[in-house]
Amino acid sequence: NAGVTQTPKFRILKIGQSMTLQCTQDMNHNYMYWYRQDPGMGLKLIYYSVGAGITDKGEVPNGYNVSRSTTEDFPLRLELAAPSQTSVYFCASLPDSGEYGYTFGSGTRLTVV
Amino acid sequence: AQSVTQLGSHVSVSEGALVLLRCNYSSSVPPYLFWYVQYPNQGLQLLLKYTSAATLVKGINGFEAEFKKSETSFHLTKPSAHMSDAAEYFCAVSDPGGGSYIPTFGRGTSLIVHP
Repeated sequence: NAGVTQTPKFRILKIGQSMTLQCTQDMNHNYMYWYRQDPGMGLKLIYYSVGAGITDKGEVPNGYNVSRSTTEDFPLRLELAAPSQTSVYFCASLPDSGEYGYTFGSGTRLTVV
Repeated sequence: AQSVTQLGSHVSVSEGALVLLRCNYSSSVPPYLFWYVQYPNQGLQLLLKYTSAATLVKGINGFEAEFKKSETSFHLTKPSAHMSDAAEYFCAVSDPGGGSYIPTFGRGTSLIVHP
């Protein structure tokens, strides 16, 4: 049971480039989330999904896009990367109740130069 | 609306000493409460949770937390710190009735353990 898998683990982008951060879970969880973590700032929600075909914005969605075509996958797309998007990105999933707590992926460390 | 306050961005203890990490929350409904641990260069891992059963909750690695409604607190404790406990700890609160189950996270407390 792999849980939540994120790829790549590290990436350096140049300003203006685009990339997709991959997130896959094998637990059949309907709820999935993308967070970014900046030093001393805790976690900020970027986008979330309550099931295949349904996505919604979180606290900091600007500069990002998501899609959810399957239950398993929830990729995060960065268009026109900016230095402000330098961060560590975490994907998380949840079964159909908030009482279980999140299962997090191991993160993607992104640097935009 | 809900919020979480973790008192102290850094807590330093000696190995073998009591660990106490503080978390206070505000919520308009009886909440779910969580503690997560993040070891260096890793994702967050659920340490323990309160979901309206027993108010004293035991988690992994010898940690426990007590839900105190009157104090709106959910402090994390461990009787004896180990070097391997050095990590970032996050408290989180969520609304059980919330359709998206999105928790509010505290800013985290870094636990430093001295030999």
